[in-house]
Amino acid sequence: EAGVAQSPRYKIIEKRQSVAFWCNPISGHATLYWYQQILGQGPKLLIQFQNNGVVDDSQLPKDRFSAERLKGVDSTLKIQPAKLEDSAVYLCASSLWRAETQYFGPGTRLLVL
Amino acid sequence: AQSVTQPDIHITVSEGASLELRCNYSYGATPYLFWYVQSPGQGLQLLLKYFSGDTLVQGIKGFEAEFKRSQSSFNLRKPSVHWSDAAEYFCAVGPSGGGADGLTFGKGTHLIIQP
Repeated sequence: EAGVAQSPRYKIIEKRQSVAFWCNPISGHATLYWYQQILGQGPKLLIQFQNNGVVDDSQLPKDRFSAERLKGVDSTLKIQPAKLEDSAVYLCASSLWRAETQYFGPGTRLLVL
Repeated sequence: AQSVTQPDIHITVSEGASLELRCNYSYGATPYLFWYVQSPGQGLQLLLKYFSGDTLVQGIKGFEAEFKRSQSSFNLRKPSVHWSDAAEYFCAVGPSGGGADGLTFGKGTHLIIQP
């Protein structure tokens, strides 16, 4: 069974530029999560989707971050404009249903200069 | 709000020695508890999880953890470590509540294996 796929794996941009990350969850998984992991810290939840609806986006900086999962399968996370403090690894995870085990992708490492 | 504390930022263990990584949590109800491992440049791999039932849970790679409600702890153990166990270990608790299911992670423990 294929795992969670993410791309790109690495991205370097300058501040105030925009960037987008893509995630394809495990087939059949209805729940999708985006986490931000800053160096030296544990992952922090940004947003949770159930199918194509948002369950929780309380920690998403909505002035610059947006995310969508239009068809209830793959998802895109966008940052516009990026700030230096957005440098982090962005992890996507999926689970079969809500409150079940989450499986993580390899992450996208973002460096904002 | 829930929280997870991993008191040890770094731990150094000799290869073949036993290992215990500490995890304490704060949660309003019976939590779901997880241990994940992260190798450099990799995502998080699930080692084991506790949802309910037997408080001693077995995971992959010879790891086990014990849920102690009275101590709000979920410590990870392994009887004999291998050099390949060197990695970052994260304890997590969930769901986040309020109808959401995100996990709250500790800051991680960096495990170093001495030959």
